[in-house]
Amino acid sequence: AQKVTQAQTEISVVEKEDVTLDCVYETRDTTYYLFWYKQPPSGELVFLIRRNSFDEQNEISGRYSWNFQKSTSSFNFTITASQVVDSAVYFCALSEAHLIQGAQKLVFGQGTRLTINP
Amino acid sequence: DSGVTQTPKHLITATGQRVTLRCSPRSGDLSVYWYQQSLDQGLQFLIQYYNGEERAKGNILERFSAQQFPDLHSELNLSSLELGDSALYFCASSEGSNYGYTFGSGTRLTVV
Repeated sequence: AQKVTQAQTEISVVEKEDVTLDCVYETRDTTYYLFWYKQPPSGELVFLIRRNSFDEQNEISGRYSWNFQKSTSSFNFTITASQVVDSAVYFCALSEAHLIQGAQKLVFGQGTRLTINP
Repeated sequence: DSGVTQTPKHLITATGQRVTLRCSPRSGDLSVYWYQQSLDQGLQFLIQYYNGEERAKGNILERFSAQQFPDLHSELNLSSLELGDSALYFCASSEGSNYGYTFGSGTRLTVV
């Protein structure tokens, strides 16, 4: 069965610090997708990134970067030069691929509440 | 606007009552997923429908039921409501083959 673990329940840093959110996953499938979502105080879920299991290249998008390492089953998320607007709950999620049935359910981690203090 | 519409946005009801949450998926998406997010909890998968048929079931209580209609919209029915059912309920949709999930803005249910 799939499982996603975000061991950091809460993180608090001062603005402009770099912060890394950890995500470790478990799956028996060789083909799967990993995601990060942001949930600001307003409550909606904001999609950040999707990565398939065959693409281990790290990705950078502005101040955001993601490190995918299959060897350690980790998909960590780093925010560089954090800003107060980055304050939110961040969720890592996993979806196993099915050749015939296609997209399966997303399994979420428990989330990491990130607070950026001015 | 994500393309997934959930109604109502807020719902306050009493214990023992029954409510229906509605979700209209993004145009072209055949799969609908329901998730429950209780206070300070992660997102728990409830149920998935694909083109009108139930495809996967998660930790959905027997008091809860769902269906997907021919026009692909879905409804989540919650009955005999308890205080603990108070939560944010999300609906998501996907086309099925591209592994892109679009979430609605959620329905916040408060049971008093």
